[in-house]
Amino acid sequence: ETGVTQSPTHLIKTRGQQVTLRCSSQSGHNTVSWYQQALGQGPQFIFQYYREEENGRGNFPPRFSGLQFPNYSSELNVNALELDDSALYLCASSLGRSDTQYFGPGTRLTVL
Amino acid sequence: AQTVTQSQPEMSVQEAETVTLSCTYDTSESDYYLFWYKQPPSRQMILVIRQEAYKQQNATENRFSVNFQKAAKSFSLKISDSQLGDAAMYFCAYRSADNNNDMRFGAGTRLTVKP
Repeated sequence: ETGVTQSPTHLIKTRGQQVTLRCSSQSGHNTVSWYQQALGQGPQFIFQYYREEENGRGNFPPRFSGLQFPNYSSELNVNALELDDSALYLCASSLGRSDTQYFGPGTRLTVL
Repeated sequence: AQTVTQSQPEMSVQEAETVTLSCTYDTSESDYYLFWYKQPPSRQMILVIRQEAYKQQNATENRFSVNFQKAAKSFSLKISDSQLGDAAMYFCAYRSADNNNDMRFGAGTRLTVKP
């Protein structure tokens, strides 16, 4: 059974650019949640996708958007990057919306 | 809004000894889930243990156990027979049973294990 995978591992962008992060959910999982973890802090919920529909969103601006595909993999898109967007972005998948979330290794985004 | 507080930024324990990590949370809900996740330097969050609020019995997973005090809104993690591989950041997390897409995390406790 393959766990949650994320790509790329690291990414460096400049302010104002756009970025796409990818997540493959664990086999059989139909729900994907995205989190932002700033240095020295706990993860903060960005949004969740369930069966290709957004199922809840945290306190993040609209320039953070996402997609979920029929195979339940997911993308996180961030437009107009700001310096404060530098963080570890974590993806977690679960069997359903209320089930335990299992995390991927994260993507480290640096915005210069 | 639900908040999770971990009051110990850092803890250390001698190998083979026992350590307890503290977590308190604030909620007006009666049904929810609580979790402890471990994040080693590899960055991947690993589920350590899960507790359903409606269950009075404290969850246990091998050397890891919790002390869940619902009235006090406290959820501490006890690690017995500490091993070098237990060294990591530990995060306490809360998730509502109703609004189950939003998991709230504490700021974390960095655990050091001394040989």
